[in-house]
Amino acid sequence: QMHLQESGPGLVKPSETLSLTCSVSGGSISSSSYYWGWIRQSPGKGLEWIASIYFSGSKFYNPSLKSRVTISIDTSKKQFSLKVNSVTAADAAVYYCARRGGDYQALDAFDVWGQGTMVKVSS
Amino acid sequence: SAELTQDPAVSVALGQTVSITCQGQTLRRHYATWYQQRPGQAPVLVMYDKNSRPSGIPDRFSGSNSGNTASLTITGAQAEDEADYYCHSRDTSGIHREVFGGGTKLTVL
Repeated sequence: QMHLQESGPGLVKPSETLSLTCSVSGGSISSSSYYWGWIRQSPGKGLEWIASIYFSGSKFYNPSLKSRVTISIDTSKKQFSLKVNSVTAADAAVYYCARRGGDYQALDAFDVWGQGTMVKVSS
Repeated sequence: SAELTQDPAVSVALGQTVSITCQGQTLRRHYATWYQQRPGQAPVLVMYDKNSRPSGIPDRFSGSNSGNTASLTITGAQAEDEADYYCHSRDTSGIHREVFGGGTKLTVL
């Protein structure tokens, strides 16, 4: 049973960089049938896709956030990560990592989600 | 980029049928997927490929797609179905770009 677990600082100061990591267990992070994504949810709001990455390193970004975010993957550690630069109050949210099906052998959806990690932005 | 539009709130009487809709141009090319989110929990996939249910999702959930509109139907709604529901699809600008609807809060009366 695949399991994803986010980790992060919980509190970030305005203008600083937010760093989050998602640890993958119970399955391979290097399958060509899947890729890995970050989604966030501001308090009381809906879901917003941030970025996705294949194990090969191919990356895809939400155009509205692309200038401030970087996604990366470390297959040896079975982790993928997200950095958000120059954070503001608008970046306060629950951040989820999730597995995304990428071909006919996988569900065409985000089928496995982490429990989410809440990030607050305050000085 | 694409947009997906959902009604903010829908209600249904216990045991009755309700449909939650999602509209967007990208749905003419790509199927919608649907997620259920209960308060304080992560989203859970309930429908994909228009009308396929992951293991463990009750068969009272069904999906459909027509033109630019996708629907998630719950036949015989139960109290535990009260939750937020989000549609999701690929963006028209790239198959690896994703877009979510704004969500629909379902109340079971």
